[in-house]
Amino acid sequence: DIQMTQSPSSLSASVGDRVTITCRASQSISSYLNWYQEKPGKAPNLLIYRASSLQSGVPSRFSGTGSGTDFTLTISSLQSEDSAIYYCQQSYSTPQTFGQGTKVEIK
Amino acid sequence: QVQLQESGPGLVKPSETLSLTCTVSGGSISSYYWTWIRQPPGKGLEWIGYIYYSGSTTYNPSLESRVTISVDTSKNQFSLKLSSVIAADTAVYYCARYIIGSTYIFDVWGQGTMVTVSS
Repeated sequence: DIQMTQSPSSLSASVGDRVTITCRASQSISSYLNWYQEKPGKAPNLLIYRASSLQSGVPSRFSGTGSGTDFTLTISSLQSEDSAIYYCQQSYSTPQTFGQGTKVEIK
Repeated sequence: QVQLQESGPGLVKPSETLSLTCTVSGGSISSYYWTWIRQPPGKGLEWIGYIYYSGSTTYNPSLESRVTISVDTSKNQFSLKLSSVIAADTAVYYCARYIIGSTYIFDVWGQGTMVTVSS
C-alpha cells in the first residue's frame, strides 16, 4: 500500500494567515492526489483533485500544488469557517489511502 | 443534487455481521461507481471497497476476506456486509460516490453512521 504522511498533524493560525499543509507519498503517485476537508459531525468535502484542480463550489483561497511524492494544500487567507481536519488521499493505486489528517484551528 | 444516506444497526456483537445500506436520492445509481469508507474513532479514513452499478466490485485487500458490497438498482441502494466483526471494526461508516475517469475522486458523501462492535 502507498503510505501518505501529512505534516503538521495540527496547527493554529489567525484569520487572514496563509496556511500550508504538506502531504508526502511513499512512492510516486504522479498527480493523483486529492484533498478533503472534514468538519465535526459532517461528511468529508472534496476541495482539490488531481493535485491542483479546484472542485466546483470551493473558495478560491484553497489551492494545491505538487506531483510525484510531495504535495501541498494552501489556504491563502484563513477564514474562521476553515477550522477543520484536512486529509490528503492518493488515487494512483488500489487501495486508495489517506493521510492521517491535519487539524487546523483558529487562534 | 445527489444525496446519500447510510442506514443500519448502530451496535453489532463481536463475530457477527455488520450490515449497512446507502440510499441514493436526487439521481440514479446507474452509470456510477459507489464506495464505502470508514473512520475509527480518533483515527484516519480507510477505504473499504467500491461497486459499479452493474455489480462488479473491488475491495481493499486488508478487508477482502470479510467484505461484500452489493447493489440494488431497483431501489437505488447499495449495501455493505462485513463479517466476523471485532472491536477494531468500530467506526463511522461513510458511503460515497466514486468518480472514475480522468480523475478518481469521492465527490459526494453521506453523513456517516457510527457502528460500535460490542457485546
